[in-house]
Parts: sequence; structure tokens; C-alpha cells
Amino acid sequence: EVQLVESGGGLVQPGGSLRLSCAASGFTFSSYAMSWVRQAPGKGLEWVSGIVGSGGSTYYADSVKGRFTISRDNSKNTVYLQMNSLRAEDTAVYYCAKGGIPAAARISFDYWGQGTLVTVSS
Amino acid sequence: DIQMTQSPSTLSASVGDRVTITCRASQSISSWLAWYQQKPGKAPNLLIYKASSLESGVPSRFSGSGSGTEFTLTISSLQPDDFATYYCQQYNSYPHTFGQGTKLEIK
Repeated sequence: EVQLVESGGGLVQPGGSLRLSCAASGFTFSSYAMSWVRQAPGKGLEWVSGIVGSGGSTYYADSVKGRFTISRDNSKNTVYLQMNSLRAEDTAVYYCAKGGIPAAARISFDYWGQGTLVTVSS
Repeated sequence: DIQMTQSPSTLSASVGDRVTITCRASQSISSWLAWYQQKPGKAPNLLIYKASSLESGVPSRFSGSGSGTEFTLTISSLQPDDFATYYCQQYNSYPHTFGQGTKLEIK
């Protein structure tokens, strides 16, 4: 059974940093691209960042480019999102999501974690 | 970046109705489009991928069509469990943008 479990969310002051983790199980982790998707309170879904299975290519939304860094440790079946210079508008539930097809660059997301809440406030 | 526009934003319908949600891309995305259903407090659930392929375990009353810039999600006969918010997502290129969502409400 595929499982994605996010952790690391919490309350942080503007300008602060936070690192999210997503522990995966139930599939060959290194074969699949992974992404982070966020949802601000009462708002829609926003794709944030993605990383291919090898970790060799990463992608970012303009809204987080230069502030967020996605990475993965295939030996630990975990994907990370390092978030720096956080702003109030980064407040959201952050989901990690698994690509639906192995070794594919173009991916829909067939499994999602339960989400972790990040609140940026003083 | 590719912009995705869904219509309508809100849709009121009754159990048994046939409903259609439209998603338009700002440029051609071939068939690289997915549809998701989301219920309050829950993660999204993949319904349709590659514009018209039904995800395993999803009821056959859900169907998708389209290519290029115009796509539709159809629910052939609404069930009580279908009242939720629906999102389209393009994955032709990064960033993998979502539409703004369509909230399907009970009439």
C-alpha cells in the first residue's frame, strides 16, 4: 500500500525557515517523480515544486523560486522541501504527491499525503 | 507559464443530474491534463489522467474528454458522494498549474 506521510509543519515567523519531509512507502521510490502542492486556507491548489526520481532535475513555481529548495534522499525514501524567507502568503497546507508513471517527466499525481500545515505569522 | 481556467466556479445540481465542467488552457497541452476531486479537509483524489483515462477505482460515471486547449469532465449521473470541489491540472510543462476549482453544490 502506497503511503506518503508529511511532517515538519508548524508556526514560523515571517523571514524564518522550515523544512518539510515526506516519508514514502509501498512503491519503488527512486523511480517516481515527486511534487509538493499547497493550499492556502479556503483557496485552491497551487503546485509548488517537483523533483525527478533521480533527483537530477528540480522545478519551482515562480512564487517560491529562490526561496524554496526541493530535494530527495532515495536511500531514505524521503522528499524534502526547505523553505526559507517565509512570508505570510506561504501559509498553507502542504501536500506531497507522487507521480503516476515511473520515470516520466509529465506526471499527474496518483497518491497524496495527508498534508502538513505551515503558518507564517508574527 | 500555462494558465488553466475552469468554468463554472460553482455549479448547483441535483442527484441524478448529468454535469459538465470545462477547463481551458492558455496554450496547447496536448492531452496532458488531469482531473481531481477534493472534499473538505482531505487531500485531492485523482479521477482522470491524460485527459480521458479513468484512474483505477474511480466510478465509470466520471469521464473526461478534450485535447489541445479545451477539456471537459462529465459526471453522468450525480451521486451524493460527488458533491465536492473539482480541479484540473496541466502537466505538459512545468510549472504544473491547476485550475482555480469548481465547487459542485447540492441544489
